Amino acid sequence: DIQVTQSPPSLSASVGDRVTISCRTSHNINTYLSWYQQKPGKVPELLIYSASGLQSGVPSRFSGSGSGTEFTLTINSLRPEDSATYYCLQSYSTPRTFGQGTKLEIK
Amino acid sequence: QVQHVQSGAEVKRPGASVTVSCRASGYIFTNYSMHWVRQAPGQSLEWMGWINVGNGLTKYLEKFQGRVTITRDTSASQVYLQLSNLRSEDTAIYYCARESIYVASRGTYRYTTGNAFDIWGQGTVVSVSS
Repeated sequence: DIQVTQSPPSLSASVGDRVTISCRTSHNINTYLSWYQQKPGKVPELLIYSASGLQSGVPSRFSGSGSGTEFTLTINSLRPEDSATYYCLQSYSTPRTFGQGTKLEIK
Repeated sequence: QVQHVQSGAEVKRPGASVTVSCRASGYIFTNYSMHWVRQAPGQSLEWMGWINVGNGLTKYLEKFQGRVTITRDTSASQVYLQLSNLRSEDTAIYYCARESIYVASRGTYRYTTGNAFDIWGQGTVVSVSS
C-alpha cells in the first residue's frame, strides 16, 4: 500500500498570508494526487486534481504542484473562508489513501 | 444537475448490518467508478472500497474484507454499501464519491494525468451503539 504523509497537522495564518501544505508518498505516484477542502460539518470538496489542475469553480488563489513523491498545496492571499481542513489523496493505486489532514486556522 | 443523494441516517446495534445507498443523477452512471469513504468523529477520511459501475468489479480495503460489500443497480443509477457485524468503531459518516479520470494530449497522443473524487454524496451518519 502507498503511504501518504501530510504536514503540518495544523497551522495558523492571517488574512492575506500565503500558506503551503505538503504531502509525501511512499512510492512514485506520478501526478495521481488530488487535494480536498472540508469545512466543519460539510462534505469534502475537490480543489486540485492531477497534482496541479484547478477544479472548475475553485478560486485561482489555490494551486498545486509536484510529481513523483512530493506535492504541495499553496493558498495565496488567505481569506477567512479558507478556514478548513485540507486533505490530499493518492489515486495511483488501490487502496486509495488520504493524508491525515491539515487544519488551517485563520487568525 | 450532477449529484449524489444518499440514504438517511442509521442507528444500529453492535453485530447488526447496515446498507447505505447512493443515487446518482445528471451524468452517465456506467462511465465512472464509485468509491466509498468514511469519516469517524474528529478523524481523517478513510477509503473503504470501490466499484467499477460498468462491469461491477469491486475492490475493498483489506481491513474490511469479509464485512463490506459494494453493489450497484445500473437501472436505478444506485450504488450500495453494505457493512456487516457492526462495531462501535464503525460509527462514522459514510460518503459515496465519483472518481473522474483526467486526460491530457500531446499531439495525437493522449495520456492519463490522474484521478480524483469530483462528486460526493451528502454523507450518511451511521451510529453503532448498544
